[in-house]
Amino acid sequence: KQEVTQIPAALSVPEGENLVLNCSFTDSAIYNLQWFRQDPGKGLTSLLLIQSSQREQTSGRLNASLDKSSGRSTLYIAASQPGDSATYLCAVSGGGADGLTFGKGTHLIIQP
Amino acid sequence: EAQVTQNPRYLITVTGKKLTVTCSQNMNHEYMSWYRQDPGLGLRQIYYSMNVEVTDKGDVPEGYKVSRKEKRNFPLILESPSPNQTSLYFCASSSSGQGFLGYTFGSGTRLTVV
Repeated sequence: KQEVTQIPAALSVPEGENLVLNCSFTDSAIYNLQWFRQDPGKGLTSLLLIQSSQREQTSGRLNASLDKSSGRSTLYIAASQPGDSATYLCAVSGGGADGLTFGKGTHLIIQP
Repeated sequence: EAQVTQNPRYLITVTGKKLTVTCSQNMNHEYMSWYRQDPGLGLRQIYYSMNVEVTDKGDVPEGYKVSRKEKRNFPLILESPSPNQTSLYFCASSSSGQGFLGYTFGSGTRLTVV
């Protein structure tokens, strides 16, 4: 059964720093990996989708990488801002009906 | 605007009183699913549907029912809610096959069963 782990569980950094969030998964036979952002009490906003054949995706200040063979993904946030404060969730899909298996998230606080 | 719409956003109910949480998507997606989110346990899949009239159990289906009579709608039914079903619920949808562009989630339904 697929398991997804996110490290660290929580992170607090000053504004302006570049930071890396880590995600690891136990079964490398994934179809895709998706990073989400969740604000307190709110829904999930999709940030980046990486298909299994891709190595990375970029959107603005965000860059996500995928190393399927080692079961790892990283989300890089450049020049962090207070508005980036949220919980970041990593989720993998085995394809078909499996849906998503989520990590427990990294709670990120950017200090002004 | 492409979206997944859940209703209601908040619901407080009593043990045993049947309720339905609705979910609708306007993207013509084949795949729809329900998740619950609990502190310390993360998001877990309850039920999913690959297409109209095709549904199957996820990881935590006990106490829930679903139906998929139309492509756009996927309601979650709690026939006899219990306090352990107090949770934050999310509906999600996606296209399938080569048209896959990731999963889109609704804004969530916070359910409290007393």
